[in-house]
Amino acid sequence: DAGVTQSPTHLIKTRGQQVTLRCSPKSGHDTVSWYQQALGQGPQFIFQYYEEEERQRGNFPDRFSGHQFPNYSSELNVNALLLGDSALYLCASSLDRARSYGYTFGSGTRLTVV
Amino acid sequence: AQSVTQLDSQVPVFEEAPVELRCNYSSSVSVYLFWYVQYPNQGLQLLLKYLSGSTLVKGINGFEAEFNKSQTSFHLRKPSVHISDTAEYFCAVSPLSGGYQKVTFGTGTKLQVIP
Repeated sequence: DAGVTQSPTHLIKTRGQQVTLRCSPKSGHDTVSWYQQALGQGPQFIFQYYEEEERQRGNFPDRFSGHQFPNYSSELNVNALLLGDSALYLCASSLDRARSYGYTFGSGTRLTVV
Repeated sequence: AQSVTQLDSQVPVFEEAPVELRCNYSSSVSVYLFWYVQYPNQGLQLLLKYLSGSTLVKGINGFEAEFNKSQTSFHLRKPSVHISDTAEYFCAVSPLSGGYQKVTFGTGTKLQVIP
């Protein structure tokens, strides 16, 4: 049973460019949450998708957007990249009706903006 | 809203010695409590969780944690650490019910096991 899969694993982009990160949730999970983890920091909540809709959002600008597809996979898009967007981006999947199970995390996408 | 405070950013400890990583939380609603571990260049792996019942919970790799409601703490312990325990540890909370399922993390504690 595959866990959470994220692609790509590493990415280097130039300031001002746009990037798309992808996530396939664990089989049976219906909720996808995205986190940004800057170097030396804890994961910061970006947003969460459920039933193909963004249902809550952290303190991130509109440059950060996402999508969830009918098969529950998800994309995170970041426009007009800034140097400060360099971070590890983590995707976590979960089952909405089973909160006690917590999240299952992917290994992350390391984004470097130069 | 919930918040998590991990009081120590780094904890050095000698191999085979005991260790305690501290975590305090704040929440206006009842919460589930979690500890996650992150090895270098990897995602987060669930160590253990507190849902209800016994306040002492056991997890993987010999770790355990104790929930103290009056002190709003959920400290992580291991009686004897190994080199392989060197990693970063994150305490996290999630609301029991109401609102949306969202996990809030602390800033992490780096455990460095010294040979």
